[in-house]
Amino acid sequence: DAGITQSPRYKITETGRQVTLMCHQIWSHSYMFWYRQDLGHGLRLIYYSAAADITDKGEVPDGYVVSRSKTENFPLTLESATRSQTSVYFCASSERQGGNQPQHFGDGTRLSIL
Amino acid sequence: AQSVTQPDIHITVSEGASLELRCNYSYGATPYLFWYVQSPGQGLQLLLKYFSGDTLVQGIKGFEAEFKRSQSSFNLRKPSVHWSDAAEYFCAVGAGGNKLVFGAGTILRVKS
Repeated sequence: DAGITQSPRYKITETGRQVTLMCHQIWSHSYMFWYRQDLGHGLRLIYYSAAADITDKGEVPDGYVVSRSKTENFPLTLESATRSQTSVYFCASSERQGGNQPQHFGDGTRLSIL
Repeated sequence: AQSVTQPDIHITVSEGASLELRCNYSYGATPYLFWYVQSPGQGLQLLLKYFSGDTLVQGIKGFEAEFKRSQSSFNLRKPSVHWSDAAEYFCAVGAGGNKLVFGAGTILRVKS
């Protein structure tokens, strides 16, 4: 979805380094999400946020940190990257509270950790 | 806890043939269900969703899905597949707090 952008699209880094993945949405959606996609696992939720300054853990939060100081931005930081964090990362947003709200996805960041 | 099973990792169909992708969910109450499609190198795009009412829902690109509570299923169908439908398809169930739980995905290959 063109309204949600992720940067960088590709990143190669080394174990132990800190890396931040950026996510920006243009709609001022309340909810934002970070997923990782790995073969055989589909998408797994890392962290999510219901509003600015409100974040919560998902299924696989270990090794990751998030913040949300502004509604439109939701950066994901790997504080000390490990090879197991090599994955494709997707950011998503949804408009308001309600289980029937669809999520809008960015095009992903492919992260390789050597 | 909610879960989604997509039994088929890969499916190959001939162009013009019909398609059915299977999805089974586990959820205690009436679920919110979604199908997304992912083309290579891109994010997920919503095909259709179900949250109440008519159990047969229509989506974009000629896709439809049928909710069957008795079978805990939400299978995706298309009467005639086009080569451009080759992609990976994900079924998801609402998990509260606007969260989604995704299945592992089904890769669709279309042969000419």
